[in-house]
Amino acid sequence: DAGVIQSPRHEVTEMGQEVTLRCKPISGHNSLFWYRQTMMRGLELLIYFNNNVPIDDSGMPEDRFSAKMPNASFSTLKIQPSEPRDSAVYFCASSPVRSGNTIYFGEGSWLTVV
Amino acid sequence: DQQVKQNSPSLSVQEGRISILNCDYTNSMFDYFLWYKKYPAEGPTFLISISSIKDKNEDGRFTVFLNKSAKHLSLHIVPSQPGDSAVYFCAGRGEGNEKLTFGTGTRLTIIP
Repeated sequence: DAGVIQSPRHEVTEMGQEVTLRCKPISGHNSLFWYRQTMMRGLELLIYFNNNVPIDDSGMPEDRFSAKMPNASFSTLKIQPSEPRDSAVYFCASSPVRSGNTIYFGEGSWLTVV
Repeated sequence: DQQVKQNSPSLSVQEGRISILNCDYTNSMFDYFLWYKKYPAEGPTFLISISSIKDKNEDGRFTVFLNKSAKHLSLHIVPSQPGDSAVYFCAGRGEGNEKLTFGTGTRLTIIP
């Protein structure tokens, strides 16, 4: 059973560059979440989609962040331009219809902006 | 505004003893609570949950207690094992809402 697949696993980029993180949710799951993990704030929700439609993007830090879900099997989180304070682990997660409230996480994308 | 708070960033417990991880929440609309466990370089994985209509849920060595009046929940692990060393996240969910709101996590270290 393939879980949530994220790429890249690690990314080091220079300040000002564009960063694109990718996610393939578990097949059949209709909700997709992007979380960011930092020491200070723990796991914070950036945005989530239901049936490919963004439902809540109130956690997106600022206009430099954008997310898309063009189809049920793919999503991207883009940061443009990137800043050092964006350095964190970004997790994608998905859940099925009537999941019983459990969401399944990918292994994360470690982003370092220098 | 941190709606879910885990005030202990770290906890060390001797192997075989009980580990107690605490979590406080402020959002009275939460009706479901979950604990996730995270190993280094891996994504969080679901551990145990509890509905707001219950005050206890048990699964093997893991028990979660909910005190709604105090807006407090705790995770008990007994007996603690070295494989339990991980970061534990508490999360809450509002009724009819899919998103989970997580705390900052507690790093548990089990000492052999």
